Amino acid sequence: AQKITQTQPGMFVQEKEAVTLDCTYDTSDQSYGLFWYKQPSSGEMIFLIYQGSYDEQNATEGRYSLNFQKARKSANLVISASQLGDSAMYFCAMREGLRSNYQLIWGAGTKLIIKP
Amino acid sequence: DGGITQSPKYLFRKEGQNVTLSCEQNLNHDAMYWYRQDPGQGLRLIYYSQIVNDFQKGDIAEGYSVSREKKESFPLTVTSAQKNPTAFYLCASSPLSYSNQPQHFGDGTRLSIL
Repeated sequence: AQKITQTQPGMFVQEKEAVTLDCTYDTSDQSYGLFWYKQPSSGEMIFLIYQGSYDEQNATEGRYSLNFQKARKSANLVISASQLGDSAMYFCAMREGLRSNYQLIWGAGTKLIIKP
Repeated sequence: DGGITQSPKYLFRKEGQNVTLSCEQNLNHDAMYWYRQDPGQGLRLIYYSQIVNDFQKGDIAEGYSVSREKKESFPLTVTSAQKNPTAFYLCASSPLSYSNQPQHFGDGTRLSIL
């Protein structure tokens, strides 16, 4: 079974609109972390935001926020006021367990295209 | 500036040839990772290392080899046994201390078969 599921292969969004990228996860661990990365067409992976399983507040970083619904096992990325430079692939990843040397489990990604 | 340097940016492999991808980091991270990414796909782990002179296989290690002789360096060799090497290869590193620390990535190497 997939541990990280990103159900939207691609999305088109009008510039300046908010966009939500979906991510659901599957784990039996009580302690885990969820990461979102952005990959522009140039290829580098850019870390955006992190949510820990014990964090009571939803994570926010500038225009990025994470809609974390633990009971539903979802960690959706919300980008407010989208910009043309937000066009990229977006990946959700999970780290199970407390130790940071545990592997990241990656979703298949969502291709986001911002329309002017 | 601290970061991860991958070289070369583009690499071409002939039939039966081994090629080595370089990855160097100056972030003082203990853990390093190699990923493979095929077009339109997510990342798959090839090898990872938590300490010098030790490394572990990931999900798709067959046809690849690594070494970790220095903390800063984690080169990946794509051997002739890897029959479908054309892909984008990403190197990453992270500290071991805190589980909330993200992996930091290099800019990647695109490998193609001649």
